[in-house]
Amino acid sequence: AQKITQTQPGMFVQEKEAVTLDCTYDTSDPSYGLFWYKQPSSGEMIFLIYQGSYDQQNATEGRYSLNFQKARKSANLVISASQLGDSAMYFCAMRASDQGGSEKLVFGKGTKLTVNP
Amino acid sequence: EPEVTQTPSHQVTQMGQEVILRCVPISNHLYFYWYRQILGQKVEFLVSFYNNEISEKSEIFDDQFSVERPDGSNFTLKIRSTKLEDSAMYFCASTQTVSGNTIYFGEGSWLTVV
Repeated sequence: AQKITQTQPGMFVQEKEAVTLDCTYDTSDPSYGLFWYKQPSSGEMIFLIYQGSYDQQNATEGRYSLNFQKARKSANLVISASQLGDSAMYFCAMRASDQGGSEKLVFGKGTKLTVNP
Repeated sequence: EPEVTQTPSHQVTQMGQEVILRCVPISNHLYFYWYRQILGQKVEFLVSFYNNEISEKSEIFDDQFSVERPDGSNFTLKIRSTKLEDSAMYFCASTQTVSGNTIYFGEGSWLTVV
């Protein structure tokens, strides 16, 4: 069964500093996709970044980058130059098979990030 | 920025009543999903829908739940007889392909069953 583990219930970071949010995953499928979402207090789920299991390079989207370590089964989100608006819950999710099979996303429990001024 | 829209944003309903949650996926997307998030818990998969039929569903998605795409643009989730434990945020999501690298979620519909 697929599983996502986010071990940090809460994280604090100073404005303008970088922060790493941890995510480890477990799957026996060779093909999978990893997603990060941001959920502000208003409740919506905002897509941030995607990493495919066969992607050769770590994904980047603006201030977001994904530190993908396949052998360790980790997909940590790095937010550079934190802003107050980055304060939110962050969820890591996995889609187990990118070539058909299960389409569902399996989510972790999330990490609550607080950016301090 | 493409957008999945959901209505209502919040609904309060009496236990036993039927509820319909509506979603308008992104226009060129073909795969549609419903997820739910009970307050303070992780997001859980309910159902996926493609080509006008359910392609996968979870254990949560029992006979009380149904989905349909009545008019080619809306995608609805119906709960026939709501229970207190159905109180949650319900998210609609869509993607262009099954292996799409972007799955967009709507802003969610808060359902409170009293």
